[in-house]
Parts: sequence; C-alpha cells; structure tokens
Amino acid sequence: LAKTTQPISMDSYEGQEVNITCSHNNIATNDYITWYQQFPSQGPRFIIQGYKTKVTNEVASLFIPADRKSSTLSLPRVSLSDTAVYYCLVRTGANNLFFGTGTRLTVIP
Amino acid sequence: ETGVTQTPRHLVMGMTNKKSLKCEQHLGHNAMYWYKQSAKKPLELMFVYSLEERVENNSVPSRFSPECPNSSHLFLHLHTLQPEDSALYLCASSQESFRDDTFNEQFFGPGTRLTVL
Repeated sequence: LAKTTQPISMDSYEGQEVNITCSHNNIATNDYITWYQQFPSQGPRFIIQGYKTKVTNEVASLFIPADRKSSTLSLPRVSLSDTAVYYCLVRTGANNLFFGTGTRLTVIP
Repeated sequence: ETGVTQTPRHLVMGMTNKKSLKCEQHLGHNAMYWYKQSAKKPLELMFVYSLEERVENNSVPSRFSPECPNSSHLFLHLHTLQPEDSALYLCASSQESFRDDTFNEQFFGPGTRLTVL
C-alpha cells in the first residue's frame, strides 16, 4: 500500500483559497488519488478523485503533477463550514483504503 | 444523510458484556466495511464484505465478530472487550464492479461511539 504524508493542521481565513498538499512517493501505476472530508462525530465523505493532471468538481479541484508523487487539493473561498479533517488516500481497488492522520483545517472568521 | 445508518449511535458497555452494532445501507450496494477510529489515530479497516462474503480481515482480535446476513445489513458482535477498544466504529458501503479498476466511492455512516468500562 502506498502511504501518504500531509500536514497535520492548517489555518485559513474565511474567503481564502486553501491548498492542501499530499505526498505519495510510492504510488503505483494503477493507483488513484482520492480525498475525503470528515466532520467531528461523522463518517468521512468523498470529495474528489483523480489519476493525473487536473480534476474539478463543484466543491474542489485536484492537481496532480506528471510524476504523480504528490497531489494538491484546492478548496476555493473556504467558509467556516469547511472546518474539518481532510484525508488524502491512494487506492488500488476499492478495498485498499488507507487513511493517514489527515490534515485538520480550521477556518477562522 | 449518506444512505448508511448505524445503531446505536452511542454505546457504553462493561468488559464482560456482549453487544452488537448494526449497520444498514439503503443504496443497493454490494460491498460493506467496518472501520475503527480511535482518538488521534488513523481510520483502520477492520472487515470487508463483498457479495455477503468476507474478503478481508485485517488481523482483528476474535472478540470482534462480523456478520453480513444480506447485502443491506452488517453487524459487528462484541464480547469481552477491553478499554482500549473504545473508539468510533464506522460502517461504509460501496458498489463494486469486479471487472476493472473503476472508481467506487465508499459511503460512510455516522458511526457508533463505543466506550468500554
């Protein structure tokens, strides 16, 4: 299983763009990069997934460089409700979900 | 609401008790999972059921016993637990393709907060 490394915590002011970078040096050819969000006392919730280059959906963008050894989750104009833990996962097949310690994002008014 | 429900939401039990956690998914998925989340530790995958058969058991102690009677229900039977088993237990489900490596997002329930005294 490819392990991931991401910052333990980040703070941001409301309305700013937040970029969370994740390292996955041992990513394999068939691995996808997936991000989940978790609020206190709730289960994780899928945000976005990508394989290479850039993926964008209604809540976030995911940037993956050509070597795929890292990825960056970008949250545009965060609000207080975006305060949560964000997990970067590298997955080969649905069963192999390895959650690291995640990044605790705190949005400040 | 994610379509995955868990009961009870909170459970306090003694080390000699026997209790069960229940998970139900209303999404028509064919795979279900149990995870454990301890304080300040990453989520740990405990069990995976695919088409109602257990496909993975990550060295979980025998005091945790899963049961999947059908594709919509998953149980975790607990007996003679230890205080260090206190944690948030999360259930998830997904739709597996079994044919290729297509993406299959996992949908998580709200969890059961377990305290072992």
